[in-house]
Amino acid sequence: SQQGEEDPQALSIQEGENATMNCSYKTSINNLQWYRQNSGRGLVHLILIRSNEREKHSGRLRVTLDTSKKSSSLLITASRAADTASYFCALDSGGYQKVTFGTGTKLQVIP
Amino acid sequence: GAGVSQSPSNKVTEKGKDVELRCDPISGHTALYWYRQRLGQGLEFLIYFQGNSAPDKSGLPSDRFSAERTGESVSTLTIQRTQQEDSAVYLCASSLAGPSGYTFGSGTRLTVV
Repeated sequence: SQQGEEDPQALSIQEGENATMNCSYKTSINNLQWYRQNSGRGLVHLILIRSNEREKHSGRLRVTLDTSKKSSSLLITASRAADTASYFCALDSGGYQKVTFGTGTKLQVIP
Repeated sequence: GAGVSQSPSNKVTEKGKDVELRCDPISGHTALYWYRQRLGQGLEFLIYFQGNSAPDKSGLPSDRFSAERTGESVSTLTIQRTQQEDSAVYLCASSLAGPSGYTFGSGTRLTVV
């Protein structure tokens, strides 16, 4: 099964700036999900985008999906110090195949 | 329950001992996953249960690792003869069938000394 590759691996920005992280993958997917992880513990589901969707919003989060390029991006607008965390994309190929997680982007928002 | 519950939250064990980690998924969630996460790294898939189907054990790193799930309820992950490289956070997640996000537990931090 495939694993998403995320870039950058680490990102440091000032509070108020926007943060963009990307996820690329190799084979077709049913949907793609983004998660946040604080302090190396449980992940929190942020947003799910289906393969027939191109863009989705949730509060300050904007996710895009380009199935022709096999890539997705997560944009966090007007970042806050509390957004400091690791962000992972997860690939769902559908059916009973397991969901696999990307390598993660470590975001630091400096107050 | 309201969320996925994992126990214990922390476990320190001596090398060579067996450990058992527990995961209580959200009621009604048919899918249950175990992942391992070493310090500063991504999630490593271990095993996947989906309803009454045969589990996908393809991620278990060795025969020292095993997991069980009774129906759509509690799952236990057992590590026999623990080694220092088993030290990691073990995360459990559950979800509904079909395309939906996962709910993760807070994990069990295992330290093998």
